[in-house]
Amino acid sequence: SQTIHQWPATLVQPVGSPLSLECTVEGTSNPNLYWYRQAAGRGLQLLFYSVGIGQISSEVPQNLSASRPQDRQFILSSKKLLLSDSGFYLCAWRKSGQALTGELFFGEGSRLTVL
Amino acid sequence: TQLLEQSPQFLSIQEGENLTVYCNSSSVFSSLQWYRQEPGEGPVLLVTVVTGGEVKKLKRLTFQFGDARKDSSLHITAAQPGDTGLYLCAAEETSGSRLTFGEGTQLTVNP
Repeated sequence: SQTIHQWPATLVQPVGSPLSLECTVEGTSNPNLYWYRQAAGRGLQLLFYSVGIGQISSEVPQNLSASRPQDRQFILSSKKLLLSDSGFYLCAWRKSGQALTGELFFGEGSRLTVL
Repeated sequence: TQLLEQSPQFLSIQEGENLTVYCNSSSVFSSLQWYRQEPGEGPVLLVTVVTGGEVKKLKRLTFQFGDARKDSSLHITAAQPGDTGLYLCAAEETSGSRLTFGEGTQLTVNP
């Protein structure tokens, strides 16, 4: 069976510090991978998605970046965090080739607080 | 970028009542999904609709896709406290890689 795991679950960081959130998927190959951010009780904002190793599509201008160094690994990074980067970050995967109807499977989420 | 508008934003009802939440766009959807999310967790898929006019039922939940594939609704019959959560609709762009979410409806069912 497939599993998705992201870490850390909770992070408190000062403004201007770097960030690295990691997400890994097991039990599948060549998944589509996604990073979303969610404000409290609100919808999900798509930040990045990837359809293959080294292929990253960015959805919004920001001080965040994403990388996919391996097939099932997706990393969200920042060199200098802003207060506005606080939120609940969710990694998700979907089977490739299931465009338009495939289910998104989400990780447990990472709650980031920037002080 | 297609914009998904969900209404109402918040809904608080008593156990046993019925409710409907809506998801609308000016764009035509290739497909639409409904997810439910509990606090501190990731969303979980409830249903996917693809065909205009399609109706799907999941126990007390009824999902309808508009004939023109621009809107969808979720109807819950005899709501229970366990239905409490954030209900999100999500629509697919024609490219098939990018799933966009609405802002969600926060439902609270009081015992």
